[in-house]
Amino acid sequence: QAQLAQSGAEVKKPGSSVKLSCKASGLTFSSYAINWVRQAPGQGLEWMGGIIPIVDAAAYAQKFQGRVTITADKSTTTAYMELRSLTSEDTAVYYCARGTSSDYWGQGTLVTVSS
Amino acid sequence: AIQLTQSPSSLSASVGDRVTVTCRASQDIGNSLAWYQQKPGRVPKLLIYDASGLESGVPSRFSGSGSGTDFTLTISSLQPEDFATYYCQQFNSYPLLVTFGGGTKVEIK
Repeated sequence: QAQLAQSGAEVKKPGSSVKLSCKASGLTFSSYAINWVRQAPGQGLEWMGGIIPIVDAAAYAQKFQGRVTITADKSTTTAYMELRSLTSEDTAVYYCARGTSSDYWGQGTLVTVSS
Repeated sequence: AIQLTQSPSSLSASVGDRVTVTCRASQDIGNSLAWYQQKPGRVPKLLIYDASGLESGVPSRFSGSGSGTDFTLTISSLQPEDFATYYCQQFNSYPLLVTFGGGTKVEIK
């Protein structure tokens, strides 16, 4: 069925990087924006950035500029989000979501940053 | 950057109540607004797109209205399964830019 399947939970050390994946199946991928949204424990939703695969155009929230890179592989219908220089503040569930009004969401990936 | 201010941040209501949540944008966003419902431990669910479009499969008791800077999500008769947190979201397609409101938690009175 139509879904976005995200990679599994990660535990990282402060200062390291994490790269998450989001594979689309059964739904149109390339012509829709794929957004990355995170949610820290007990907090609201925060847009990090997104990409429109068909034009390979990525955009980032100002807060994450220089620290995040979002890419997409049209051949495998997979989007990626790499976040660098992790701190404990980056501990959150990270979601990918399709479209500017996001009708499909991945199941979420918990990233825990701890020494 | 566009900011979205939701009010109230939380509310208590009873089953059957009419509930209204508002979302104010810091500048004119036309009708580029969506509403989501999120239950604890669950993935957000799209309810409303383009300010007033009802997403397929969403009960008709949910409705959205507004344009420009002021938007409203209304639940006409609150049901037990509607107790959740609701988020508004604005979007711009080109260049891609998305902002979420702070959320409104709807709790049982």
